[in-house]
Parts: sequence; structure tokens; C-alpha cells
Amino acid sequence: DIQMTQSPSSVSASVGDRVTITCRASQGISSWLAWYQQKPGKAPKLLIYGASSLQSGVPSRFSGSGSGTDFTLTISSLQPEDFATYYCQQANSFPITFGQGTRLEIK
Amino acid sequence: EVQLLESGGGLVQPGGSLRLSCAASGFTFSSCAMSWVRQAPGKGLEWVSTISGSASSAYYVDSVKGRFTISRDNSKNTLYLQMNSLRAEDTAVYYCAKDPREGDDWFDTWGQGTLVTVSS
Repeated sequence: DIQMTQSPSSVSASVGDRVTITCRASQGISSWLAWYQQKPGKAPKLLIYGASSLQSGVPSRFSGSGSGTDFTLTISSLQPEDFATYYCQQANSFPITFGQGTRLEIK
Repeated sequence: EVQLLESGGGLVQPGGSLRLSCAASGFTFSSCAMSWVRQAPGKGLEWVSTISGSASSAYYVDSVKGRFTISRDNSKNTLYLQMNSLRAEDTAVYYCAKDPREGDDWFDTWGQGTLVTVSS
């Protein structure tokens, strides 16, 4: 199974800050990676797919990069509605696996 | 509008069974692989199972193999998860989720979730 490891597990930031979250796969997954945002009590929302493609309707301040084993999600200028938990997910092979999540908190 | 609506969750005793349903609308159901993803209370996301659009292929996480069965009825635009021999560790919110297209195994639409509690 492919293990997905996110870092950091939590991060505190302020509105307007630039934030980067990292996801590392235990083996190469090409660009078969997605990023999700989840708010408390809500279903996850797809932000990025194919490592760097922005899902329709997602603000352009979100961006993704990477391939192989190392990936990043960047939020260029944090907005109040961005405080949530973020997950990466590999779609290279079954079993599909998620990272453990990164909680983005208000400083 | 693309929508997924789960139902069938509830309280069940260890060893019991439950069948979850997910009613889909707003897209060509038979063209999309569908999945179940769960989230234990206070924990992260865990993929459970995926079924292809034609139902010819199905995949499971090891922890549910032999106990859970995913299926679909394309004439009713409905996805199912039959859960048998339930354990306390199966307690979670279960989400159904849609793949954008066959072979792209990320999830562009999610249901609101249904809570399954396994407890005596």
C-alpha cells in the first residue's frame, strides 16, 4: 500500500499569509494526487486534482505542484473561510490512501 | 445539479448488519465509478471501497474485505454498501463519493454522510 504523509500536522497562520502544506508518497505516484478541504461537520471538497489542476469553482489562491513522491498545496493569501483541515489523496493504485490531514488554524 | 444523498445509517450491535444507500442525481450515473469513504469520530478520511460504472470491478480496503460488499443499480441511480459482521472500529460517518470519470479515482462530489455507530 502507498503511504501518504502530510506535514505539518497543524499550522497557525493569519489572514493574508501564504501557507504551504506538503504531502509525500511512499512510492512514486506520477501526478495521481488530489487535495481536499474539510470544514467541521461537512463533507470534504475537492480543491486540486492531477497534482496541479484546479477544480472548477475553487479560488485561484489555491495551487498544487509536484510529481513522483513530493507534492505541495499552497494558499497564496489566506482568507477567513480557508481555515479548515486539508487532506491529500493518492489515486495511483488501490487501495486509495489519504494523508493524515493538516489542520489550518487562525493565529 | 450533481447530488448524492446517503441513507441507512444508524446504531447496530457488534456482529450486526446494515445496508447503506446513496441516491445519485444530476449526472450520468452509469458512466462514473463510485466510492465509499468513511471518517471515524475525530479522525481522518479512510477510503473503503470503489465500484466501476458497469459494476464489473470492485475494490476494498483490507479491513473490510469479506465483510462489506459494494454494489450499484444503474437503473435506479443508486449505490449501496452492505456491511456485515460489524465491529466497533467500523463506527464512522460514511460518505459516498463520485469519481469525475472512469480511471480518475479522486472524488469531485460527496454526499452529506450517514453515521454508523456499532455499539452494544
